Amino acid sequence: KAGVTQTPRYLIKTRGQQVTLSCSPISGHRSVSWYQQTPGQGLQFLFEYFSETQRNKGNFPGRFSGRQFSNSRSEMNVSTLELGDSALYLCASSPGWLNTEAFFGQGTRLTVV
Amino acid sequence: SQKIEQNSEALNIQEGKTATLTCNYTNYSPAYLQWYRQDPGRGPVFLLLIRENEKEKRKERLKVTFDTTLKQSLFHITASQPADSATYLCALPRGGSQGNLIFGKGTKLSVKP
Repeated sequence: KAGVTQTPRYLIKTRGQQVTLSCSPISGHRSVSWYQQTPGQGLQFLFEYFSETQRNKGNFPGRFSGRQFSNSRSEMNVSTLELGDSALYLCASSPGWLNTEAFFGQGTRLTVV
Repeated sequence: SQKIEQNSEALNIQEGKTATLTCNYTNYSPAYLQWYRQDPGRGPVFLLLIRENEKEKRKERLKVTFDTTLKQSLFHITASQPADSATYLCALPRGGSQGNLIFGKGTKLSVKP
């Protein structure tokens, strides 16, 4: 079956702009999580959506937001971009319960200039 | 707060040897622990999950141990090959949700022929 698809793969934005990233999870998976990965901080949890509801949220400012649609596809939005937002943004899908693995997409490489 | 540490940032070994990676955690009693492999520019790929009541788990050349008293997991790759060169990440579920994982910063393994 098809894996997790993230679009776009690469993005260059200017400071102050906003950006929307998209994630299509594996068919049948109801949980979609977003992570930010930087060389200094590693992989950090942003938020998780399950059946269109935000189930968990990480320690990121309100400029980071997301949503999930009825088909489980998810979008993540970052407003008023800062240079420090440059990172690899990863989406992971899973069935939604414990003791299961997370399936990651290839990520979106965001560069803020 | 919950912390997870992978002791070595990098590990260099010779082909054919056994690589041993360490993951320690504090202020937490996870129900299970996971290991992922990440290649440059790609999302993490799930390798193994070990539950709190399991001492050891094996999959082909991979072996994971989980010591809840020491709060430590060891990840072994036997008969290592250059193709095993990658960054290996350990992860714990936070807040009872598989969609909310804490990751270590990873150990970059290099296997030299």
